Amino acid sequence: SAVISQKPSRDICQRGTSLTIQCQVDSQVTMMFWYRQQPGQSLTLIATANQGSEATYESGFVIDKFPISRPNLTFSTLTVSNMSPEDSSIYLCSVEGGPAGGYTFGSGTRLTVV
Amino acid sequence: QKEVEQDPGPLSVPEGAIVSLNCTYSNSAFQYFMWYRQYSRKGPELLMYTYSSGNKEDGRFTAQVDKSSKYISLFIRDSQPSDSATYLCAMSRGASNYQLIWGAGTKLIIKP
Repeated sequence: SAVISQKPSRDICQRGTSLTIQCQVDSQVTMMFWYRQQPGQSLTLIATANQGSEATYESGFVIDKFPISRPNLTFSTLTVSNMSPEDSSIYLCSVEGGPAGGYTFGSGTRLTVV
Repeated sequence: QKEVEQDPGPLSVPEGAIVSLNCTYSNSAFQYFMWYRQYSRKGPELLMYTYSSGNKEDGRFTAQVDKSSKYISLFIRDSQPSDSATYLCAMSRGASNYQLIWGAGTKLIIKP
């Protein structure tokens, strides 16, 4: 299965600033997925990123707040813009596939907004 | 009502015990069922992937799906302290449907 490197692993940011999270995959993948994981809540899909096209956002998430880039088949970034304390969460990137199916995840970015 | 319900725990059991983790769901269209394990400060990793009803076994782990009751289970035999983690269930309508619906996760603690 793919190996995903995600960084930063954690950050503490001031409200009103932006943070860009990077996700690097060791093989070419068609789709990359960005999730948010809030304490005690289920994983929530933010958007799906295909190379060469605009990301597809889920209900409740907008491009102005979470712009995504997908410049090639192994890399993607998610930016959390104009942050507020409510954006404090773990952000995860994911790709499809593996020997048993399912999805492979990065280690996550633990974001705290103060 | 959430589409997938999962008891958050924590569930604390002694080493060597059999552990039963469960999820219930409301959408009868779900066909693919997964269990992920998530260690602290790590992303979820796939443990078991099953289609439709029935059992699937992999080493100490057994996944069980009862579609008539809309209930899935993960059993862990001979539990070890290294099994301490949060276990998340996830399900979808199709194999290539990336819109997985996730449970909130059950925190499991195995006491030495």
